[in-house]
Amino acid sequence: EVQLVQSGAEVKKPGESLKISCKGSGYSFTSYWIGWVRQMPGKGLEWMGIIYPGDSDTRYSPSFQGQVTISADKSISTAYLQWSSLKASDTAMYYCASSPTGHFDYWGQGTLVTVSS
Amino acid sequence: SYVLTQPPSVSVAPGKTARITCGGNNIGSKSVHWYQQKPGQAPVLVVYDDSDRPSGIPERFSGSNSGNTATLTISRVEAGDEADYYCQVWDSSSDHWVFGGGTKLTVL
Repeated sequence: EVQLVQSGAEVKKPGESLKISCKGSGYSFTSYWIGWVRQMPGKGLEWMGIIYPGDSDTRYSPSFQGQVTISADKSISTAYLQWSSLKASDTAMYYCASSPTGHFDYWGQGTLVTVSS
Repeated sequence: SYVLTQPPSVSVAPGKTARITCGGNNIGSKSVHWYQQKPGQAPVLVVYDDSDRPSGIPERFSGSNSGNTATLTISRVEAGDEADYYCQVWDSSSDHWVFGGGTKLTVL
């Protein structure tokens, strides 16, 4: 069974750093892209970026380029999304999802990030 | 960058057919995918590559794509279909994945 399991909810202060994770199992982790999707409270889905764990090839949405870093450790089948300096506007639910081609077939359960002073 | 436009809301009576559109420049040349998201849950893929259904998705869900509009059609709508629906494409010119703004389906 394919599963993407994300790390737990986080509460951070503005200016702090954060790295959240997404662990894949039940499939060949290095053969599928892993994307990250933001959903702000009451809003729609926004594609942030995507990584191919096999060779760490990475793409970013222009809206998120330079704001976050996507990485992966194929030895432990885990992808990451990280911030160096959080803002209140980063408060959102973040989903990872696997992409065999152009669509996202399996999704993680989501990680809620709350940034508040 | 490529833009996908969806109506904010669609309403339908139980047992009727709901159609949710997704507009984009020459979207018919792209593969369109659709997701269902219920409150408090992660999105679920319901249609991929314009009209294919993942295993476990009812045949009531179907898709089409031509010209500048893709359509998700839900036949014999049930109360449990009430959710937000998002279209999505991969834009080859920018190598970016793009989501539409989402449509809230209300079952009357």
